Amino acid sequence: NAGVTQTPKFRILKIGQSMTLQCTQDMNHNYMYWYRQDPGMGLKLIYYSVGAGITDKGEVPNGYNVSRSTTEDFPLRLELAAPSQTSVYFCASSYYPGQSEKNEKLFFGSGTQLSVL
Amino acid sequence: GQQLNQSPQSMFIQEGEDVSMNCTSSSIFNTWLWYKQDPGEGPVLLIALYKAGELTSNGRLTAQFGITRKDSFLNISASIPSDVGIYFCAGLGNAGGTSYGKLTFGQGTILTVHP
Repeated sequence: NAGVTQTPKFRILKIGQSMTLQCTQDMNHNYMYWYRQDPGMGLKLIYYSVGAGITDKGEVPNGYNVSRSTTEDFPLRLELAAPSQTSVYFCASSYYPGQSEKNEKLFFGSGTQLSVL
Repeated sequence: GQQLNQSPQSMFIQEGEDVSMNCTSSSIFNTWLWYKQDPGEGPVLLIALYKAGELTSNGRLTAQFGITRKDSFLNISASIPSDVGIYFCAGLGNAGGTSYGKLTFGQGTILTVHP
């Protein structure tokens, strides 16, 4: 079982460039999430999805877009990269949180370290 | 939105010492979770708490869900070098609320253990 797989692991972008961070999971989870992690700030939710075709904004969605065409994949798109988007990005997935105990356990990918210069 | 205040921000301890960290919130959470993040990796769940007052252990780790449902603490006993990492608390909001299904994370506690 691969779990949650993120690619790439590292990337450097110039201001104004665009890129897509890929995320796929093989656990048949309903929920998928994108978080960004900045030093001393914990993890902030960017977007999440409760199932294929459904996405919603998290706490810090500006400058990002997502899509969920399949249960397995949840790519995160940066259209016009800005220095403020320099961060470590984590994708995660889970079953339906709260439906029963232990469903809120999030499985995280190993992260994408992005620098915008 | 909901916020969690986690303290301390960092800890430097000697191997064998006990560690305590906590999270507080102005909002009520139905579930408290504690995660550990190793360098270069994503967070991994350590302990999950589902009821107010609940005390749960996982090896040398013990966590409690506060009675008010607005706080939680994590204790690590007899620390070892592999305990090094960042520890995060996270809360899951009430069913039917706007935050339902989305975890809110604390800022993290960076733990360093000196051999």
